[in-house]
Amino acid sequence: DGGITQSPKYLFRKEGQNVTLSCEQNLNHDAMYWYRQDPGQGLRLIYYSQIVNDFQKGDIAEGYSVSREKKESFPLTVTSAQKNPTAFYLCASSIRGRGSNQPQHFGDGTRLSIL
Amino acid sequence: AQTVTQSQPEMSVQEAETVTLSCTYDTSESDYYLFWYKQPPSRQMILVIRQEAYKQQNATENRFSVNFQKAAKSFSLKISDSQLGDAAMYFCAYRRTGANNLFFGTGTRLTVIP
Repeated sequence: DGGITQSPKYLFRKEGQNVTLSCEQNLNHDAMYWYRQDPGQGLRLIYYSQIVNDFQKGDIAEGYSVSREKKESFPLTVTSAQKNPTAFYLCASSIRGRGSNQPQHFGDGTRLSIL
Repeated sequence: AQTVTQSQPEMSVQEAETVTLSCTYDTSESDYYLFWYKQPPSRQMILVIRQEAYKQQNATENRFSVNFQKAAKSFSLKISDSQLGDAAMYFCAYRRTGANNLFFGTGTRLTVIP
């Protein structure tokens, strides 16, 4: 079955440490996204990528970095510069296309906590 | 800037009854898409229904339907014959035509009472 796989499900970060969240999709989607979800809030866009080797900052990109070396993979690194990283992180993908009404498909998420 | 507002943090409905969740949005665009996503306790986001702004007809998916009022910038979700499995957080989302990123509201937590 096609879908989006995020790993790990739970992740703990020590102070000053960088951690990387994995996101893999086998839907053959061009576009991929990373969102952050905090309690009582909706999802906020961190980064997105419409094609391989290209990505754009979202609304809250500070303290995060991404890469898109393969169509299937869009890992997110939470750097030590992100001072409040505790949150639920969701990866999504979609068909790319101007005027497309195709929805984004989401993974199961990764919960990141600070030790 | 686009904003999406869900003014009902929590709603409850009796099983088999009907409930309506509210959503308003602010945009200067004339062409865009609107979505309702469901997030059950498993935390996965599941698409419930979508609406193209250029379509006057309200979208319907089985027990789920929307009331899209473009002039009022309102996009409410109606759930008919509510089931226990409908209990979840519901998020309204907006996307401008030609863009890929979604703007989400803060969500409404729906409880279904047996």
